Formats: sequence, C-alpha cells, structure tokens
Amino acid sequence: GNSVTQMEGPVTLSEEAFLTINCTYTATGYPSLFWYVQYPGEGLQLLLKATKADDKGSNKGFEATYRKETTSFHLEKGSVQVSDSAVYFCALSDVSNFGNEKLTFGTGTRLTIIP
Amino acid sequence: GAGVSQSPRYKVAKRGQDVALRCDPISGHVSLFWYQQALGQGPEFLTYFQNEAQLDKSGLPSDRFFAERPEGSVSTLKIQRTQQEDSAVYLCASSSDATSGRNEQFFGPGTRLTVL
Repeated sequence: GNSVTQMEGPVTLSEEAFLTINCTYTATGYPSLFWYVQYPGEGLQLLLKATKADDKGSNKGFEATYRKETTSFHLEKGSVQVSDSAVYFCALSDVSNFGNEKLTFGTGTRLTIIP
Repeated sequence: GAGVSQSPRYKVAKRGQDVALRCDPISGHVSLFWYQQALGQGPEFLTYFQNEAQLDKSGLPSDRFFAERPEGSVSTLKIQRTQQEDSAVYLCASSSDATSGRNEQFFGPGTRLTVL
C-alpha cells in the first residue's frame, strides 16, 4: 500500500536558518504530493503541492520538488521566520480502488523557530 | 460558510458511551472525507462521501464507527460504545471534486475526542 516517511522531529532552528524536512514515499500509482501545515490552534492547511514528476511546488518561500527517481518530496526554505513554527505533514494522494482520491500522511514534523 | 466547520471542538466521553461528531463542509463541495489523527501521528483516512453516497468506508476501524451525509451537505460521524483507543482528533475535509485526483482538500479544525 501507499506510505509516507518523513523526518522525525522536533526540529529547532534559529531565525533566518535554512530549513530542510525530508519526505520519501511509496506508492503503486502516480500520486500527487503535498505538504500541509498545522499552525498552533488551527486546522491543516495546504502549503504546496506537485502533481507530476519534476514539478516544483512553492508557496510562502517554501518549495519542494517531486523526484520520482528517489521517491522524495523534501521541503525547503532558505530563511525561516518565527511565524513558520508549526507542524508540517508530507502527504500523497492517489485514487483508491473506489475511484476517489484520499490522502496518506506522514507522521508530521514539529518545527520551532527561535528568534 | 468561509471554511469547513466541526462541532463540538472537544468531547469527553465515558467508555461505552455513544458520540456524534458533526461536520459542515464548504458550501457546494461534492466530496467529504473523515480522517482520524491519533496523538503524535498523521491523519488516517476513515471514509469518503460523494454527495450523499458513502463510496469508500475502507478506513473505518470497526463496525462501531458509522458515518452519514443524508442530504449531501452536513455529515455526522458516530462512534458507538466508545473505547479508550478511539481517543483522537477527528478531522473532516471537503473538496469540490475528489475523482480527478488533483483537487485540494480543505480541512476543518477537528474534534478532539477523549474517552475515559
């Protein structure tokens, strides 16, 4: 079945540091890949997505590239801010046997940025 | 509404009680999902509706879990005879079309269920 493995946390960085959160996946089909973010006290929000190999998703200074050859979708940001403190989830979407898409999530990585 | 809403936000139940969790999706969204998120884990798929039809319930962990969406809008997840292992955050998500494989799912804030 489908699965997502992401870097375990927690991750603590200083403001303006470079961020990488690793994510690899296993899928039988051709999934879309996502990063969702959960800010304190809020629901899951889509951060970025990529729907096919070599696509790069980007938003709010974050980016991730869909690498089919390494089955990876690592999240990066060049200079993090305190406001980026949140839990980040890597996920894939594939069409189920019932014809609907459903998301398979990693376990999440808690990121804390120190001023 | 502006987004997906869920109620109650918090629910404490004694073991053996029945609970009902409500989800109001974004108006006009055809597709509705329920996920279960245990502490420290990522959400796990429970069930999917397209309008009022429950097309996929492959993720429901037992026959104590039941979901409905009778008019194709509001959905209710019911858990009968709750057990401690049911303690989790229950997330609802909606999307405009979940058959194309490319549509964003919008999540509600979740209901945190604690079974004592």
